[in-house]
Amino acid sequence: GQNIDQPTEMTATEGAIVQINCTYQTSGFNGLFWYQQHAGEAPTFLSYNVLDGLEEKGRFSSFLSRSKGYSYLLLKELQMKDSASYLCAGQISGGSYIPTFGRGTSLIVHP
Amino acid sequence: NAGVTQTPKFQVLKTGQSMTLQCAQDMNHEYMSWYRQDPGMGLRLIHYSVGAGITDQGEVPNGYNVSRSTTEDFPLRLLSAAPSQTSVYFCASSSDLQETQYFGPGTRLLVL
Repeated sequence: GQNIDQPTEMTATEGAIVQINCTYQTSGFNGLFWYQQHAGEAPTFLSYNVLDGLEEKGRFSSFLSRSKGYSYLLLKELQMKDSASYLCAGQISGGSYIPTFGRGTSLIVHP
Repeated sequence: NAGVTQTPKFQVLKTGQSMTLQCAQDMNHEYMSWYRQDPGMGLRLIHYSVGAGITDQGEVPNGYNVSRSTTEDFPLRLLSAAPSQTSVYFCASSSDLQETQYFGPGTRLLVL
């Protein structure tokens, strides 16, 4: 596998900012996805990074550093509905390109 | 446009029984995948397909077979169910491997 590592659980306060980190092995790396998954539901797409830098989409932003094998998902103005699992998934070039998922970070947002 | 559909939603099997989990997509996507999700393990790739007639193994293929006779359908067969196959199974499709995967609602399988 690609050894995708991310924290198991994080907690944050409504209205705050939280950063969820993800590290991966850089050998053969092509791109990185972030998905959101609410309990009992299917994952839904948040972002896809191929190039270094920050991509912003409303309250959610995703950052990638290819040389460091590092990505993060930044959630601003947290809402209760943001309580979910956040999945980091990496692609390897030269293989199937089918993403390999990390174990997910369970985010709990409290009032 | 229904997206990715999976049937059944829930299933209980006895050890040794066989069954097929159905997956269909109406978006004309070439790429389809099957994942299983277990507590604390994330999504693990079972089998995938890059087009009709082409399938390949993922990370955890043992005990499962797939076929891709049409672009739309990608069934997953459990040959002889074991309690270790108790899991939630997700099917996903994408038009391009640099595009998002769309996931089906999942099938929750319990093997006794």
